[in-house]
Amino acid sequence: DIQMTQSPSSLSASVGDRATFTCRASQSISTYLNWYQQKPGKAPEVLIYGASNVQSGVPSRFSGSGSGTDFTLTISSLQAEDFATYYCQQSYSVSWTFGQGTKVEI
Amino acid sequence: EVQLVESGGGLVQPGGSLRLSCAASGFTFSSYWMTWVRQAPGKGLEWVANINQDGGEKNYEDSVKGRFSISRDNVKNSLYLQMNSLRAEDTAVYYCAKDRRIAVPDTRPYWYFDLWGRGTLVTVSS
Repeated sequence: DIQMTQSPSSLSASVGDRATFTCRASQSISTYLNWYQQKPGKAPEVLIYGASNVQSGVPSRFSGSGSGTDFTLTISSLQAEDFATYYCQQSYSVSWTFGQGTKVEI
Repeated sequence: EVQLVESGGGLVQPGGSLRLSCAASGFTFSSYWMTWVRQAPGKGLEWVANINQDGGEKNYEDSVKGRFSISRDNVKNSLYLQMNSLRAEDTAVYYCAKDRRIAVPDTRPYWYFDLWGRGTLVTVSS
């Protein structure tokens, strides 16, 4: 199985900050990388698919980049509602695997 | 309303069985691959199994192979997960999710989960 590693595991930030976190795959997955946001007690929601494609309805402050094994999710200006946990997930090969998550805290 | 609603979770003893259900509404259920994802308390997300549109193709995460079985009923717009020989490490919130496939020219499509249920908690404990 393809292993996904996210860093950092947690990040302290303030409203208005730029936040960047990374995801690394154990082998090349081209651009088959998705990002999800999960708030406490809620189901995840997709933000980015195909490494850089923003899901419809997701604010433009979210962007993704990368290919091969290294990927980045960037929030250009953190809003209060962005404090959550973010997961990457590869869709290159079944079984789909997730990273362990990055928690963004105030 | 487009939604997925899971049910069937609860407390079960190690070695026991449980059947989860996921009721879909607001979209053409029979047109989509469907997936189960779980999340142990305080932990990350783990893909469990998926099934294609007519139920003829199924995939499982290694730790559940031979113990869990995914199925669907396109007349009832429902997805199921039969869980046998349950272990303490199966304790988790189980989410059902709808797969979205995006065609990409000259290469394989993108897949992601574009609709999730709220989850149902399964606790395996004596």
